[in-house]
Amino acid sequence: DQQVKQNSPSLSVQEGRISILNCDYTNSMFDYFLWYKKYPAEGPTFLISISSIKDKNEDGRFTVFLNKSAKHLSLHIVPSQPGDSAVYFCAASAMDSSYKLIFGSGTRLLVRP
Amino acid sequence: DVKVTQSSRYLVKRTGEKVFLECVQDMDHENMFWYRQDPGLGLRLIYFSYDVKMKEKGDIPEGYSVSREKKERFSLILESASTNQTSMYLCASSLSGGRREKLFFGSGTQLSVL
Repeated sequence: DQQVKQNSPSLSVQEGRISILNCDYTNSMFDYFLWYKKYPAEGPTFLISISSIKDKNEDGRFTVFLNKSAKHLSLHIVPSQPGDSAVYFCAASAMDSSYKLIFGSGTRLLVRP
Repeated sequence: DVKVTQSSRYLVKRTGEKVFLECVQDMDHENMFWYRQDPGLGLRLIYFSYDVKMKEKGDIPEGYSVSREKKERFSLILESASTNQTSMYLCASSLSGGRREKLFFGSGTQLSVL
């Protein structure tokens, strides 16, 4: 049973619009969340993170929102650019785990020019 | 910038072969990881190493072993390759053991076992 779920395998958005990528989790011990972005033929790269003591973290065009009661987080990209087209992985870490990240299955974002 | 290099981009092996996947990082990171990426399953941790000659099992260690003889190098070994080990293998490193440390990934090795 997957503890971190990204239920949308793909998303297509017009350039300049907002992209919203969603992630749900089941383990209430998760207290730190990260997003990684992966281009074809490259490894994933860290994008943004959020601690459970916050409900929002912003870095330029990227904002991550955390709703602990719903066990849901989302990544907002505003405005979306064609270079944002990639696979986005949500990952979570539990307070009782020293190193382990649990990854979701990823969402492929396509930003159309 | 941290560079994590995986020796092969593509590998094709036969069932029963012993397979070595090599990974080298150049930033003196303490921790190194091997993940596999499968469609619909995301990234799953196979093994983790927090120091030379030290290793810990991840979520799916069966059929794999690892070796870390030098700090910069972490090898994944498939003792007897099977078709269900066909996958994208990703190596990663992080500076220290903290779970909030971001991972730096290599570009991956696509392994096909026939």
